[in-house]
Amino acid sequence: ETGVTQSPTHLIKTRGQQVTLRCSSQSGHNTVSWYQQALGQGPQFIFQYYREEENGRGNFPPRFSGLQFPNYSSELNVNALELDDSALYLCASHRDRFTDTQYFGPGTRLTVL
Amino acid sequence: SQKIEQNSEALNIQEGKTATLTCNYTNYSPAYLQWYRQDPGRGPVFLLLIRENEKEKRKERLKVTFDTTLKQSLFHITASQPADSATYLCALDTGGRRALTFGSGTRLQVQP
Repeated sequence: ETGVTQSPTHLIKTRGQQVTLRCSSQSGHNTVSWYQQALGQGPQFIFQYYREEENGRGNFPPRFSGLQFPNYSSELNVNALELDDSALYLCASHRDRFTDTQYFGPGTRLTVL
Repeated sequence: SQKIEQNSEALNIQEGKTATLTCNYTNYSPAYLQWYRQDPGRGPVFLLLIRENEKEKRKERLKVTFDTTLKQSLFHITASQPADSATYLCALDTGGRRALTFGSGTRLQVQP
């Protein structure tokens, strides 16, 4: 186990709704990255947070937003859900933004109907 | 365009044999490459990291090679076991901010 936890485990939403996913990073880690993994694909980078600020973003629209809290836990918010947002959402924590190894949580499976 | 390619077809091998998985990339100059294991419905688990100036890295039954001229990494599991059955992902550091770009993975099935 990596010590990275995510909640909820599974979620079902309808198109147009909003969702918030949560991640607790491993103890001592101040950087969190979020990834989206569609079925049969590799994870795709959404964005990264370092010490409560966004530190890079992948090719995702602004309706994907995030937060990092002083304890380095993080949230991913998705507005105006679309059917294609159905995926496994993974967070990964790193010791800091210069550390190469990332430790992934178990993911949140989001289904949009 | 930039691409990371892994064999999309599953690799089936007999227990005890060596499994070799391939990761090819184009139009990237990664500082390092990582390999992860992913079981169904679970998050990826870090296995090995190899840097651009390293040719080979080993960890127990695992070996990774990295050829920046060929733009290819090979991942070997020796003396494979049914418990090694999983999807294996390669990932590159692109953009220098530790944001990984993943291949789509290769599913390995080790038959007893």
